[in-house]
Amino acid sequence: QSALTQPASVSGSPGQSITISCTGTSSDVGAYKYVSWYQQHPGKAPKLMIYDVTNRPSGVSNRFSGSKSGNTASLTISGLQAEDEADYYCSSYTSTNTLVFGGGTKLTVL
Amino acid sequence: QLQLQESGPGLVKPSETLSLTCTVSGGSISSTTYYWGWIRQPPGKGLEWIGSIYYSVNTYYNPSLKSRLTMSVDTSKNQFSLRLTSVIAADTAVYYCASVRRGHFDYWGQGALVTVSS
Repeated sequence: QSALTQPASVSGSPGQSITISCTGTSSDVGAYKYVSWYQQHPGKAPKLMIYDVTNRPSGVSNRFSGSKSGNTASLTISGLQAEDEADYYCSSYTSTNTLVFGGGTKLTVL
Repeated sequence: QLQLQESGPGLVKPSETLSLTCTVSGGSISSTTYYWGWIRQPPGKGLEWIGSIYYSVNTYYNPSLKSRLTMSVDTSKNQFSLRLTSVIAADTAVYYCASVRRGHFDYWGQGALVTVSS
């Protein structure tokens, strides 16, 4: 199975908004609402930020939001803060009952 | 809330078998709410889903690892395990265990670095 496609890096200034895309196929992202997003700081385990395309777990800031259109899902972070600087990964359920991650996006807060 | 902790050898020789265990606390591994999964991350690289197991009944494996992979659940110890045979240097990674619900990983272990080297 092929990894989902994410930009290698994105950047933004404090207070701005950024969007990270996650492109799959009609057999994964496009087929199911089971897309999730994870934040990973260096040396730490990933943390669930968004699940089922748009839902935030308890305790995750409402500055984080998710959406999907066709085969592409997106994570938007509004009001960027220094603490948001991290790697972000998307994940999707697939038609073969497997799970697949994106290659990851490094977010730099300028 | 669930807590997960990986354990196992940090060094494995090439061609041997990598074995890791994940101990679950704060909930029952027999719960029908969760699947249980393994994810790995080679140094400096991205996340790779290894596989998931449900209540010792159903297993789902990454096709690229399927021929070398076995996952199991021990309900008496509230643990689930990973065995990867015939390891090579490319299997060197931080291995994470996690709870899985509807395709997302909500609780993660802290990760265990496994190095494949002679």
